[in-house]
Amino acid sequence: GQQVMQIPQYQHVQEGEDFTTYCNSSTTLSNIQWYKQRPGGHPVFLIQLVKSGEVKKQKRLTFQFGEAKKNSSLHITATQTTDVGTYFCAGPEGAQKLVFGQGTRLTINP
Amino acid sequence: DGGITQSPKYLFRKEGQNVTLSCEQNLNHDAMYWYRQDPGQGLRLIYYSQIVNDFQKGDIAEGYSVSREKKESFPLTVTSAQKNPTAFYLCASSIGQGINQPQHFGDGTRLSIL
Repeated sequence: GQQVMQIPQYQHVQEGEDFTTYCNSSTTLSNIQWYKQRPGGHPVFLIQLVKSGEVKKQKRLTFQFGEAKKNSSLHITATQTTDVGTYFCAGPEGAQKLVFGQGTRLTINP
Repeated sequence: DGGITQSPKYLFRKEGQNVTLSCEQNLNHDAMYWYRQDPGQGLRLIYYSQIVNDFQKGDIAEGYSVSREKKESFPLTVTSAQKNPTAFYLCASSIGQGINQPQHFGDGTRLSIL
């Protein structure tokens, strides 16, 4: 089946530093979704990208969808302690299922 | 206030016992999903349902069963055949097909073996 790989698995930064997580699919994706899971919490939907080369911003978060629609990235500028959590990408498999990446766990030193 | 309610928050299972995890949503969503999350891992799909009285196996359905008798309810039973049930179980729902719509998650149930 389809695989969605995320790197890095863990990232520790100083508060104020930037952070990037990358998502790569074994197949071309019709869209990609990003979720954030706070420690002890549940995943919360952040954004969906659909178009090739699409870039979307949410305050300090920048999401990109690759030209070939097989990879995506999430970049956080000037991290804050509220950014702590695990970030997941998810891509469709078939018509009804989402496949989630393993996630990138972000920890921040205040 | 609309949302997804999972209960219980914590559950302990004895050897050879079946346990049922509850998932109720009042979002009027058609699709519902069950995922399993192991420590430091992503989400793996157990079962999903796009419509009442119909459901499909996900990637790790063995040892689990579900029902979808009502639109708002999608309970998951962890049977004794599931030999390693200790995990965090998440229920989710979406308006339509999950691949094009955001999935909304409940707070989860943590299941442990006694």
